[in-house]
Amino acid sequence: AQTVTQSQPEMSVQEAETVTLSCTYDTSESDYYLFWYKQPPSRQMILVIRQEAYKQQNATENRFSVNFQKAAKSFSLKISDSQLGDAAMYFCAYRSASDKIIFGKGTRLHILP
Amino acid sequence: DTAVSQTPKYLVTQMGNDKSIKCEQNLGHDTMYWYKQDSKKFLKIMFSYNNKELIINETVPNRFSPKSPDKAHLNLHINSLELGDSAVYFCASSHNSAPSDTEAFFGQGTRLTVV
Repeated sequence: AQTVTQSQPEMSVQEAETVTLSCTYDTSESDYYLFWYKQPPSRQMILVIRQEAYKQQNATENRFSVNFQKAAKSFSLKISDSQLGDAAMYFCAYRSASDKIIFGKGTRLHILP
Repeated sequence: DTAVSQTPKYLVTQMGNDKSIKCEQNLGHDTMYWYKQDSKKFLKIMFSYNNKELIINETVPNRFSPKSPDKAHLNLHINSLELGDSAVYFCASSHNSAPSDTEAFFGQGTRLTVV
């Protein structure tokens, strides 16, 4: 069975600094998708970034980028120039070919002014 | 125009009652999900439907019964509510293994409180 592990329950970063959230996963499949979701206090689940496993190039969305290491089954999220609005729970997610999307336990990110 | 909408947003009810949460998506997706988010914020998949057919049924008490009248709707009915059912329930939808839109689009969640 696939699993997603986020080993950092909470993290803090100074405004304008860079922070990296870690995520590892376990799977025997070769074709899958990985995501990072943000959940602010409003509770809404917002997609931050997506990575297809068959793509070697790391995905980037403005200040958000990933470090995808397929062999190591690692998928970390880097947030550059952190802003107060980035404070939220961040969930790493894995989607298998059978459509099941599973989530890690989340990392609560605090932005210090 | 809300892509995935679920109602109600808040639900407070007594133990033993039966309640339903409705979910509708207007994205043309063929896969829909129900997730439960507990007090520790852990998101756990409960069910997944593809074109009205149940494809994933995790270890969930049979008091929970999903109903999909068509592929745009996936409702969640809960019988004999218990205190431990208190949580936020999220509905989501996605394309079925398409190159794009593989991510799940979420509703705003329903906070269920059982008293």
